[in-house]
Amino acid sequence: QVHLQQWGAGLLKPSETLSLTCAVYGGSFGDSYWGWIRQPPGKGLEWIGDIWQSGRTYYNPSLKSRVTISVDPSKNQFSLKLGSVTAADTAVYYCARGQYRRDIWGQGTLVTVSS
Amino acid sequence: QSALTQPASVSGSPGQSITISCTGTSSDVGGYNYVSWYQQHPGKAPKLMIYDVTYRPSGVSNRFSGSKSGNTASLTISGLQAEDEADYYCSSYTSSTTWVFGGGTKLTVL
Repeated sequence: QVHLQQWGAGLLKPSETLSLTCAVYGGSFGDSYWGWIRQPPGKGLEWIGDIWQSGRTYYNPSLKSRVTISVDPSKNQFSLKLGSVTAADTAVYYCARGQYRRDIWGQGTLVTVSS
Repeated sequence: QSALTQPASVSGSPGQSITISCTGTSSDVGGYNYVSWYQQHPGKAPKLMIYDVTYRPSGVSNRFSGSKSGNTASLTISGLQAEDEADYYCSSYTSSTTWVFGGGTKLTVL
């Protein structure tokens, strides 16, 4: 059974770079899209971006200038980097499998941006 | 891109049916059959309930159903149960090859 395990720094200062990694266990890494979604405290879900196993990426236009999603098929992992963070980037960040149906989600990582 | 429009809250009594709407435009909900619905309990990751407008993943109760008319998609929950109390989000593919979520709807089971 496929499950996702994610990790990364939970406390950042303004202007730093957010970095999260999501590992895929128990199944094939290929033939799937992999993505990142975030949720500010008390608010709704926001799509950040997706990546195909080949490395082709799709980004939210509002975040595109600061976001990089990459994939490492040899490790069954994919990663998110978000540059120049501000307090507005404080959120729970989720990794997920799929685009048309995001059927498997990571446990979520709370990232707080504070000086 | 603008978030899809959902009612902030809906409520119903056990056994009743409720419907949550998700309104977009012809560039997202109305243009593609790629609407999905997610259930989220407090402190938990979202769970896929419906994809491609009407399809239920394996393991999801058949009390959950999806539909679409024009630019509005809907999630219907029949035979409401206490465990259905949660936040629900819709999501749609867009003409910009991006994805957008709705603002979320809080379902209260009275």
